[in-house]
Amino acid sequence: EAGVTQSPRYAVLQEGQAVSFWCDPISGHDTLYWYQQPRDQGPQLLVYFRDEAVIDNSQLPSDRFSAVRPKGTNSTLKIQSAKQGDTATYLCASSLLGGFNTGQLYFGEGSKLTVL
Amino acid sequence: AQSVTQPDARVTVSEGASLQLRCKYSYSATPYLFWYVQYPRQGLQMLLKYYSGDPVVQGVNGFEAEFSKSDSSFHLRKASVHWSDSAVYFCAVSRFNTGNYKYVFGAGTRLKVIA
Repeated sequence: EAGVTQSPRYAVLQEGQAVSFWCDPISGHDTLYWYQQPRDQGPQLLVYFRDEAVIDNSQLPSDRFSAVRPKGTNSTLKIQSAKQGDTATYLCASSLLGGFNTGQLYFGEGSKLTVL
Repeated sequence: AQSVTQPDARVTVSEGASLQLRCKYSYSATPYLFWYVQYPRQGLQMLLKYYSGDPVVQGVNGFEAEFSKSDSSFHLRKASVHWSDSAVYFCAVSRFNTGNYKYVFGAGTRLKVIA
C-alpha cells in the first residue's frame, strides 16, 4: 500500500513569492489534514477535510493561505505572498474513520519551506 | 481549550538504559491519546494509542505508555533503549466528537541515545 505522498520536498522562496504544496493521501482515506511544523516545534493544524468538504480551517491564515481537495482525494495547499514567518515544514496526513485503525494518522514526509 | 505539554524538550540516555518521556494533557473530557515518533527526514509514525480500558498500552518496538486520568498524563516508557530510538517523540490528543476529528500535538521531546 502506498503511503502519503507530498511534493515538492523542498522549496526556497523570496518574501512575496507564492508556492503550492501537493498531497496524495492513502487511497480510500476520507480525512485529510494539513499541519505546519516550525523548526523544533510540534505540528500545528492548519486545515482538515472530510472528503471534499472543509471541516475546520479556523487556523488557516486566510489572507494568504488556501487549501482545496476538489474530488475528495488529492489536496493542494497554496501560500501567496510568503513571509519569513512561514518558514516551516508542511505536513500532510490522512486517516480513515471507522474500522480498527480509526484515529491513526498517516503522515507524508513533509514539504520543507524556507522563505528568505 | 485542549492542550498537550511535553515538559522535556531534550532527553539524553545511555544505550540499554530505561526511558520515560512525559506527557500531560488538558481536555474537557477523557480524550484519545497517542504517541508518534519522527525520525530524521521522515514523516511522523504512530507508536501507540489509547482509547479506553487497560491504562497500560503496548506499542511497537518495545514501547508502552500508561494513561492516568487522575494525573491527566500519558507517559511513554521503554525498558531498554537502542541507539536507533534516537528521534523526536510527540504526544497527541483527540476526541472524536461528532464532526470533530482534530488532533492537538505537543511540542515534542528530542531523544538522543548515546553509547
